[in-house]
Amino acid sequence: QVQLVQSGAEVKKPGASVKVSCKASGYTFTSHDINWVRQATGQGLEWMGWMNPNSGNTGYAQKFQGRVTMTRNNSIRTAYMELSSLRSEDTAVYYCARWVGAPKYYFDYWGQGTLVTVSS
Amino acid sequence: EIVLTQSPGTLSLSPGERATLSCRASQSVSSSYLAWYQQKPGQAPRLLIYGTSSRATGIPDRFSGSGSGTDFTLTISRLEPEDFAVYYCQQYGSSWLYTFGQGTKLEIK
Repeated sequence: QVQLVQSGAEVKKPGASVKVSCKASGYTFTSHDINWVRQATGQGLEWMGWMNPNSGNTGYAQKFQGRVTMTRNNSIRTAYMELSSLRSEDTAVYYCARWVGAPKYYFDYWGQGTLVTVSS
Repeated sequence: EIVLTQSPGTLSLSPGERATLSCRASQSVSSSYLAWYQQKPGQAPRLLIYGTSSRATGIPDRFSGSGSGTDFTLTISRLEPEDFAVYYCQQYGSSWLYTFGQGTKLEIK
């Protein structure tokens, strides 16, 4: 069965960077884009960007341009999201989600979420 | 960027009642690109509806989606206790951009 398993919770100081991992299993990793979505406590879902594991191509929401980097290691079927210059407003649960594939545009499987806390 | 506005913000209903949730887009959205998700506390979102009206695998037929253009609706015909959650609509736009609505909380009355 398809599974996305994310790394554990992180606590970071303002100005630092965080790197969250998302390990895929149960399907061909390179056949589906991985997207990242975050959710601040008590707030809604915010899409951050996508990464194509086959090509390494990425696309980021304008809000995160210059601060986010999405990468992958195909040998271990793992996607990564790194967010830099952290501030308190970046405290949130970060989810990875699998894009089902063209011509359909939605996310069919999600990771369990990783809580990132930014605090001095 | 297309903005999705969901209403109401909170909907209070009783089990067995019918729920109607709205998602309005700031510009026309292709019906193929509109999805709905359910999220319960402490859990990741779960896909309910894609392509405006197609139910995802394992989703009960009391959930249905409809709409076109800028107005979309998620209907739950007879609420079960497990349906009380937050619901989000999502659209896909050009240049590989996705946006979510702000959510509708469905709570027990």
